[in-house]
Amino acid sequence: DTGVSQDPRHKITKRGQNVTFRCDPISEHNRLYWYRQTLGQGPEFLTYFQNEAQLEKSRLLSDRFSAERPKGSFSTLEIQRTEQGDSAMYLCASSLDRLEQFFGPGTRLTVL
Amino acid sequence: AQSVTQLGSHVSVSEGALVLLRCNYSSSVPPYLFWYVQYPNQGLQLLLKYTTGATLVKGINGFEAEFKKSETSFHLTKPSAHMSDAAEYFCAVSPLDTDKLIFGTGTRLQVFP
Repeated sequence: DTGVSQDPRHKITKRGQNVTFRCDPISEHNRLYWYRQTLGQGPEFLTYFQNEAQLEKSRLLSDRFSAERPKGSFSTLEIQRTEQGDSAMYLCASSLDRLEQFFGPGTRLTVL
Repeated sequence: AQSVTQLGSHVSVSEGALVLLRCNYSSSVPPYLFWYVQYPNQGLQLLLKYTTGATLVKGINGFEAEFKKSETSFHLTKPSAHMSDAAEYFCAVSPLDTDKLIFGTGTRLQVFP
């Protein structure tokens, strides 16, 4: 069990650029979640997959954000036309059932 | 909409003292309840959870929490703090009709020698 991994760990980009983050869940986990955490706040839910199906999206997830989970394994989160307000830690979690989500180390995004 | 309130963004205790971190949720129907811990430069780790059954739940590292429906609370306690307990603690709920977690703003625990 290697845990949830996320890549990259840090990303610095200029405003207006597109960025993509990857999450590899624990291998047997069929559920995968994305959260965003800003300084001094708890994580905020963005979206959730069960296998390859995206079952829920937060209203926080504007149309600049898109997430995919092809084949029900790894997932990508893309942010188009980044804004300074997108600067945050992006967390991925996976689970086998809804009772325990295992979190990755996160990707810290800085938008200049 | 569901919300979680953690009273006290910072709590400081002496080593060996009681730890009490407060969490209240807003819901007429009790959700599933969780406490997560985040050590510096590490991912969130589940401490304990309440789903059904016994209202006093025990977790890792000597922590426990009690679900009190009448008070809509799920406070986290540890009888004797250790230096290694210094971290950020997050209370979270999961409404019964969704898998997502709704987190509080967190409480940073400092432990002094």
